[in-house]
Amino acid sequence: QSVLTQPPSVSGAPGQRVTMSCTGSSSNIGANYDVHWYQQVPGTAPKLLMYGFSNRPSGVPDRFSGSKSGTSASLAITGLQAEDEADYYCQSYDSSLSASVFGGGTKLTVL
Amino acid sequence: QLQESGPGLVKPSETLSLSCTVSGDSISSYSWSWIRQPPGKGLEWVGYMFYRGTTNYSPSLKSRVTISVDTSKNQVSLKLDSVTAADTAIYYCARGPNRGFDPWGQGTLVTVSS
Repeated sequence: QSVLTQPPSVSGAPGQRVTMSCTGSSSNIGANYDVHWYQQVPGTAPKLLMYGFSNRPSGVPDRFSGSKSGTSASLAITGLQAEDEADYYCQSYDSSLSASVFGGGTKLTVL
Repeated sequence: QLQESGPGLVKPSETLSLSCTVSGDSISSYSWSWIRQPPGKGLEWVGYMFYRGTTNYSPSLKSRVTISVDTSKNQVSLKLDSVTAADTAIYYCARGPNRGFDPWGQGTLVTVSS
């Protein structure tokens, strides 16, 4: 059981908008610790997609956006493309564990 | 650029030792982390060393793990004692955790088996 909960899978057709959630608690997201998102194409290393809830590193398209509400964070992808098919992980810090924590990951399928 | 290296096969009860060579950054200016991923599973944070030299480890691994930095070689090292099959994973090094883990090395698969 991960400290951060993500849906196992989401899917969407090319061009559509999809969102995926990352649900935490008062000791991580709810305590305002940053949430970061990673994209992992199968067989490759994860890549930072979003940091500090809603900041995109250089080179990440603005089709990707992040947000936070209460004890949850969300990643949205608009204009879905085939190349977006990957696993997505959220990550934060948990003060009760004094540890960085990852969500279990969400597999995005582009139909 | 980060590049992990080390044995791909470790026997049960022995010590897993990996190195991560950092190029393009001054290793003493940043914090450095290890993250692992069992085959077919999700990411698990192992620990990190802050640029000031302090460390923080996963509670589940704390009794067995050591992360250190060799500034003369620009390398970050990971040692994990008393390994079992449950430690079989791809091990990644990454810069961070400030502003997320970025960049990541390509990862190295370590299998624990006799």
